[in-house]
Amino acid sequence: NAGVTQTPKFRVLKTGQSMTLLCAQDMNHEYMYWYRQDPGMGLRLIHYSVGEGTTAKGEVPDGYNVSRLKKQNFLLGLESAAPSQTSVYFCASSPGQGRSNQPQHFGDGTRLSIL
Amino acid sequence: QKEVEQDPGPLSVPEGAIVSLNCTYSNSAFQYFMWYRQYSRKGPELLMYTYSSGNKEDGRFTAQVDKSSKYISLFIRDSQPSDSATYLCAMSEGSGTYKYIFGTGTRLKVLA
Repeated sequence: NAGVTQTPKFRVLKTGQSMTLLCAQDMNHEYMYWYRQDPGMGLRLIHYSVGEGTTAKGEVPDGYNVSRLKKQNFLLGLESAAPSQTSVYFCASSPGQGRSNQPQHFGDGTRLSIL
Repeated sequence: QKEVEQDPGPLSVPEGAIVSLNCTYSNSAFQYFMWYRQYSRKGPELLMYTYSSGNKEDGRFTAQVDKSSKYISLFIRDSQPSDSATYLCAMSEGSGTYKYIFGTGTRLKVLA
């Protein structure tokens, strides 16, 4: 009964490097989300997906790309990492439109440092 | 002005105290209200989920929504050191929405 699983848990990158954060959910949820959490800023939505093959921009999408090739997976990519992207990244999922009124469920986060 | 305001704390209370955590909001279209608990280096964990106004109780936790005042509360009775965490409120306008607005969180410390 894993829920939402994020990999890796920690990563240190150098400026300009690229990487992909992985998120997997086993709850058959339609909607998936990527947030970043910074001190004093709360959770800010980067990108989200309302179904397999669809993605959309959230509040702070610049510098990130996403893909949802399979319903259970949502990938977040940084093409050229910048120090401003140092943050804790959370993936979440929710049942979505037409489903029972259930809120988001979160993974345990990826701590990313950009040097 | 932020859509959701939450005092960051920290709030320190002795073990056994009743804790009151609060959020105010400005968007009258919010209908769904949530409280999450977040331990250090962990993801937010759903505690309470309510629709519209009223109270909801689950064990030592009670969630209250006052839509007329645009104010929500989470009460923790008989607080324990294990309740020490950051508590986030969150809100959304309707079922199936992608848009959830989160407060910045209140850090709670329960002293043994």
